[in-house]
Amino acid sequence: EDQVTQSPEALRLQEGESSSLNCSYTVSGLRGLFWYRQDPGKGPEFLFTLYSAGEEKEKERLKATLTKKESFLHITAPKPEDSATYLCAVQPLTQGGSEKLVFGKGTKLTVNP
Amino acid sequence: AAGVIQSPRHLIKEKRETATLKCYPIPRHDTVYWYQQGPGQDPQFLISFYEKMQSDKGSIPDRFSAQQFSDYHSELNMSSLELGDSALYFCASSQNTYNEQFFGPGTRLTVL
Repeated sequence: EDQVTQSPEALRLQEGESSSLNCSYTVSGLRGLFWYRQDPGKGPEFLFTLYSAGEEKEKERLKATLTKKESFLHITAPKPEDSATYLCAVQPLTQGGSEKLVFGKGTKLTVNP
Repeated sequence: AAGVIQSPRHLIKEKRETATLKCYPIPRHDTVYWYQQGPGQDPQFLISFYEKMQSDKGSIPDRFSAQQFSDYHSELNMSSLELGDSALYFCASSQNTYNEQFFGPGTRLTVL
């Protein structure tokens, strides 16, 4: 069964304190791995797509990396406005095709000023 | 930039009533997805449509049905509502089936 596990569940950082969020996954085949940011009561906001091991993508203070079994979201010098829940999702590679995203439970990040 | 539009944003229904949720995808996006997110939970895939045809199905109850229309908007119809159906319902759209999915703001459904 396709499964996504994110750690830690919650993370508190001081402004400027860099850290990483982990997303480990188990799928029979991976079409893509996605990172989203979600604010309370709002829809997930797309951040990155990673397709193959070794791939890296960056956007402002965020950098996502991918290995064969996990992905990391590195946050460099975070600011209070980076506070949100970060969701990792995989799109399994299945016979006949499947578009669904399988989400992890997210990491709730709080950045204190 | 245009985003996914969902309506209504909030909906309150009684048990056993019906509800219709609407989704308007980003222009030129041909694939629509529906997800359900319970309180404190991760989004769960319900169903998807590509070019007006159902393309994938997840854990959608038989009481729910959905379709995509000729203008690519989609509607999720929910009947015999139960208390457990209370959740945020998200619609997402993409250009082609395997591209990034962009989510709408969601419809918060409360069943009393």
